Amino acid sequence: EVQLVESGGALVHPGGSLRLSCTASGLTFSSYAMTWVRQAPGKGLEWVSGISGNGGSTYYADSVKGRFIISRDNPKSTVFLQMNSLSAEDTAVYYCAKCTKVITNTASFDYWGQGALVTVSS
Amino acid sequence: DIQMTQSPSTLSASVGDRVTITCRASQSISTWLAWYQQKPGKAPKLLIYQASILESGVPSRFSGSGSGTEFILTISTLQPDDFATYYCHQCSGFSQTFGPGTRVEMK
Repeated sequence: EVQLVESGGALVHPGGSLRLSCTASGLTFSSYAMTWVRQAPGKGLEWVSGISGNGGSTYYADSVKGRFIISRDNPKSTVFLQMNSLSAEDTAVYYCAKCTKVITNTASFDYWGQGALVTVSS
Repeated sequence: DIQMTQSPSTLSASVGDRVTITCRASQSISTWLAWYQQKPGKAPKLLIYQASILESGVPSRFSGSGSGTEFILTISTLQPDDFATYYCHQCSGFSQTFGPGTRVEMK
């Protein structure tokens, strides 16, 4: 059974940084692209970033481009989201999700983690 | 970027009703459209991918149709477990977007 477990959510001050991790089990990790999706309190889903199976291709939403970095460690079956220059608008539950393909485009998200809460506040 | 809209934003229905939700894309996305169900405090669940393919384990009362810019999610006979929020998701390119969601509530 595929399982995704996020960690690293926390309260952080505006302008601060945080790194989220998502560790997968039950799959051949490098065979699938991975993605991060966030959901602000009471709001809808927002795609944040995606990374191909070999880590060679990364993609970002305009709202986080230049501030967030996605990466992965395939031997450890883990994907990361490094978040810098955080603001209140980044407050959300961050979900990692497994893509259905090794590349992100044309792939839907078939398994999701439980979510990690990131709160940006002074 | 491709923008997604959904209608209605909220839908009031009763158990046994037939429910349809429409999703529109700002430009053609072929059939690269997925539907998800989300319940409060839970992660989204994939229902339909490639516009009309039912994800394994999803009840057959859910179906999807459409291509290009207009897509429909249909629940043939609404069950108590189906009261939730539904999101469409375009995955046609490297930048992806979700629709704003449709909340299906009890009438």
